[in-house]
Amino acid sequence: NAGVTQTPKFQVLKTGQSMTLQCAQDMNHEYMSWYRQDPGMGLRLIHYSVGAGITDQGEVPNGYNVSRSTTEDFPLRLLSAAPSQTSVYFCASSSSSGGLAFFGQGTRLTVV
Amino acid sequence: AQSVTQLDSHVSVSEGTPVLLRCNYSSSYSPSLFWYVQHPNKGLQLLLKYTSAATLVKGINGFEAEFKKSETSFHLTKPSAHMSDAAEYFCVVSDPPGNNNDMRFGAGTRLTVKP
Repeated sequence: NAGVTQTPKFQVLKTGQSMTLQCAQDMNHEYMSWYRQDPGMGLRLIHYSVGAGITDQGEVPNGYNVSRSTTEDFPLRLLSAAPSQTSVYFCASSSSSGGLAFFGQGTRLTVV
Repeated sequence: AQSVTQLDSHVSVSEGTPVLLRCNYSSSYSPSLFWYVQHPNKGLQLLLKYTSAATLVKGINGFEAEFKKSETSFHLTKPSAHMSDAAEYFCVVSDPPGNNNDMRFGAGTRLTVKP
């Protein structure tokens, strides 16, 4: 029962570096999403996907790219990290029937 | 677009006393509403969910919430706080119902439980 797995748990980047946050789910969920969590702002939707090959922008997409080549994986890419991207990132998945959203444990990213 | 307002950024209660965490929402539809809890350095855990069935929803760990359409509220309550309830709580609206890809989160309420 792995559920939603995010890696890494912690990461420090220098401004301008690139990296990919990994997210994998083993529940055969069609819907997957990425959120960022900042103090006093709750979670905000970055990008989401309704199935393999389909992605769309959420509330705060700038500076992030996603792809969905398989049902299981939904990586989030930062092409050129900025200090404003320092945050905790959560990946979530849910079934096509509008079921419960399952969240990963989060990735704490610091950009210096 | 839907939105959520959690009316208190911080709530402090004594162990054994009732808990009330307030949430108001705005939505163009009859929304799905959720409460999630996040313990320190942990991920998010679903407490309970409302999806147009019974207006009083019972969740895990003794929590419950009542959907009041006339007041556009979905407040979270628990009769007696436990030390382990200390955490951050998020009220969430999904609009239209079932569209879990457009879940809007409140800013969160930090619950402190004093011995």
